[in-house]
Amino acid sequence: AQSVTQLGSHVSVSEGALVLLRCNYSSSVPPYLFWYVQYPNQGLQLLLKYTSAATLVKGINGFEAEFKKSETSFHLTKPSAHMSDAAEYFCAVSGGNTPLVFGKGTRLSVIA
Amino acid sequence: DGGITQSPKYLFRKEGQNVTLSCEQNLNHDAMYWYRQDPGQGLRLIYYSQIVNDFQKGDIAEGYSVSREKKESFPLTVTSAQKNPTAFYLCASSRTGTGRTNYGYTFGSGTRLTVV
Repeated sequence: AQSVTQLGSHVSVSEGALVLLRCNYSSSVPPYLFWYVQYPNQGLQLLLKYTSAATLVKGINGFEAEFKKSETSFHLTKPSAHMSDAAEYFCAVSGGNTPLVFGKGTRLSVIA
Repeated sequence: DGGITQSPKYLFRKEGQNVTLSCEQNLNHDAMYWYRQDPGQGLRLIYYSQIVNDFQKGDIAEGYSVSREKKESFPLTVTSAQKNPTAFYLCASSRTGTGRTNYGYTFGSGTRLTVV
């Protein structure tokens, strides 16, 4: 079975500051890990995914995430926050060809 | 352009009424999924289908029903047995690979259901 814990339901950063959104996972098999972004009243858009290739994964809009097996983590980072990054972010895990299990989400606010 | 279309965007249901949410995709994806989203609870899986004419219950299937008669379509019916149906409903689809491969999902734009 798989599960995801996102630490912090709400994160607030200043424009231009580092963005760090935390995700820890649990999986009984090697995991597939994903980060999605959701803007208000819209569906989810894939930011990036880890599928057992490189441990540092680069995604869209300048985001990246690092898979750390020893820490069971897949934290999402961006060096410099932009106002347009304000949204809700979801981490998800799968054990393979099975439905994704999502975390509860982290709402990112960016302060001018 | 390929994608997933959910309709309607907003839906209002009276007590005791069944309603059906539409989900259509033209991505040629084999698998389709329905998730329910409530504030602070993330996405919870209702039903999923990996092939036509077959589907499986997710974590919160009670009070919901689905069908998968065509590859492109996966409608969700919210029945009167669902006691708290007010939520945002998201449909998604994905390729299915061999073995343990997971390609991730493409999502629709959602349907917001409100009980009146």
